[in-house]
Amino acid sequence: DAKTTQPPSMDCAEGRAANLPCNHSTISGNEYVYWYRQIHSQGPQYIIHGLKNNETNEMASLIITEDRKSSTLILPHATLRDTAVYYCIARSAGGTSYGKLTFGQGTILTVHP
Amino acid sequence: KAGVTQTPRYLIKTRGQQVTLSCSPISGHRSVSWYQQTPGQGLQFLFEYFSETQRNKGNFPGRFSGRQFSNSRSEMNVSTLELGDSALYLCASSKVGPGTRAGDEQFFGPGTRLTVL
Repeated sequence: DAKTTQPPSMDCAEGRAANLPCNHSTISGNEYVYWYRQIHSQGPQYIIHGLKNNETNEMASLIITEDRKSSTLILPHATLRDTAVYYCIARSAGGTSYGKLTFGQGTILTVHP
Repeated sequence: KAGVTQTPRYLIKTRGQQVTLSCSPISGHRSVSWYQQTPGQGLQFLFEYFSETQRNKGNFPGRFSGRQFSNSRSEMNVSTLELGDSALYLCASSKVGPGTRAGDEQFFGPGTRLTVL
């Protein structure tokens, strides 16, 4: 799985959009970009994933650059409950990646009132 | 729909003992993965089971083992506990299988907090 690089921390004001960047310059063509978050002392929570098209669900939007070397997770209206560690993961769908997510250090997002 | 459940939630053991942790996946999910989370190493993949077979394994010593039952429930065992095994152990389930999308997401349980004294 390709290595991902994220800023260690970010701040965001409540009600504003939170834009979390991720660099995955060595991603291969069959690797998806996944985002998970972990709120303190809980298990990680799936947010969204995509291959090459932008994706949106009820939680967030995922913007992947055309060359797929980077992506941005957007939380459109951040709330205090969005304060968490956000992980960006590049992962292929099968083979040696069966059931395996490779977590980096992630980005600590702090949402301020 | 019930989520992933893990038992026990907290456990205290002493060095040299062994421990068994249990994970019940979401109904219909056939893949179960296990992870160890420590402050120093972060979240690390232990192994994954599908249809009672281990399909993938992380870089952990043989003291860490697991199994999956026909109902997809899974257990992991750690023998000869060391102080460094103190961690949050997480299991995650995913649907996987014919008809599911490539790259289905994993759903995590709340974890078992193991303390080794």
